[in-house]
Amino acid sequence: GENVEQHPSTLSVQEGDSAVIKCTYSDSASNYFPWYKQELGKGPQLIIDIRSNVGEKKDQRIAVTLNKTAKHFSLHITETQPEDSAVYFCAASLSGGYQKVTFGIGTKLQVIP
Amino acid sequence: GAVVSQHPSRVICKSGTSVKIECRSLDFQATTMFWYRQFPKQSLMLMATSNEGSKATYEQGVEKDKFLINHASLTLSTLTVTSAHPEDSSFYICSAEGTDNYGYTFGSGTRLTVV
Repeated sequence: GENVEQHPSTLSVQEGDSAVIKCTYSDSASNYFPWYKQELGKGPQLIIDIRSNVGEKKDQRIAVTLNKTAKHFSLHITETQPEDSAVYFCAASLSGGYQKVTFGIGTKLQVIP
Repeated sequence: GAVVSQHPSRVICKSGTSVKIECRSLDFQATTMFWYRQFPKQSLMLMATSNEGSKATYEQGVEKDKFLINHASLTLSTLTVTSAHPEDSSFYICSAEGTDNYGYTFGSGTRLTVV
């Protein structure tokens, strides 16, 4: 089955700096890579996703890159703000119905004002 | 965007009783629902996958007679924790995938405390 490794487990950055979270996956058949933000006591919220036919995707301050050959993908948050503080999970799956998602262990991001 | 409503958000029950958690897709048809369990400071652990109108597929180590999952319609799935024990206390989260959205939408989670 799929195995997703994520690092770092914790990350502290100064407000305004960039944050980068990296993930690797094992199953070369995986083709859908979402990123989720989870605030305390809440369910995960999809913040950005990328499919294997795309190498990079950007949405305002958030960007995701995918290296399919190396089987790793990264989340980049620029100009971090205190409200970006949360736990971030990467995930990998096959797109389409009935496909389960394999999550990374999570990264606790703290943005220091 | 796609919304999944999960209720209740918090529940406290006595040992030996059963608790039902509901997840509804509000603006799309959820052909597949996933149920997760999350312990503090840990990642999401998939418990089972359910497809509308068929029996759920449970992950290894998850007791299907203890965690009853029903997905009777395209907009509703329920998880019933039967004969709950304190070790069942956890954060339970559902997610749904439909035919017309491209990602997995999560519910807001249910904090279950068994006393």
